[in-house]
Amino acid sequence: GIQVEQSPPDLILQEGANSTLRCNFSDSVNNLQWFHQNPWGQLINLFYIPSGTKQNGRLSATTVATERYSLLYISSSQTTDSGVYFCAVDDTGGFKTIFGAGTRLFVKA
Amino acid sequence: DAGVIQSPRHEVTEMGQEVTLRCKPISGHNSLFWYRQTMMRGLELLIYFNNNVPIDDSGMPEDRFSAKMPNASFSTLKIQPSEPRDSAVYFCASSWVVGGELFFGEGSRLTVL
Repeated sequence: GIQVEQSPPDLILQEGANSTLRCNFSDSVNNLQWFHQNPWGQLINLFYIPSGTKQNGRLSATTVATERYSLLYISSSQTTDSGVYFCAVDDTGGFKTIFGAGTRLFVKA
Repeated sequence: DAGVIQSPRHEVTEMGQEVTLRCKPISGHNSLFWYRQTMMRGLELLIYFNNNVPIDDSGMPEDRFSAKMPNASFSTLKIQPSEPRDSAVYFCASSWVVGGELFFGEGSRLTVL
């Protein structure tokens, strides 16, 4: 099945810093989503982005489907950005949404 | 509109007992997914339904696990008998169509003693 790799696995930032999270996938996908799991365990949709670039406030995402990767940009990070960021993809075969292992982010005040 | 609703939020039970987790998807969504999250294995897809029909249950770990979706607004995940290794957070998610944007419930944290 499709493999999803996220990097880095862990990231510590000083408040106000910028960061880039990466998601690589091993095969063609129908769609790609980014989620944030907050410290209370809630999974929150950030972007539904099978291709192209989207922006939402301090966050933006770019997916280059032909090269099988997606990037999540966090600018001017805040302590509330802490948590785990997941990339999830649907393979072209069965529409199973498969998650990467996540990037654990901690933003220090 | 209400989001995906799961119950119970927390369940503590003893090994061998039956556990039933419940999910109400977002109204109008045709696809429903059950995931399990553990530290060791991350988020695993257990089973998903489209129009109330199970499409892929290859992620269901054992015969002790079963899932049903009797109508468009309700699904259950049952574990019988439960074992300590089933301890995890179980998430339900729904989407308007298969392959569409997923929306998650708040999860059911299961502890099997």
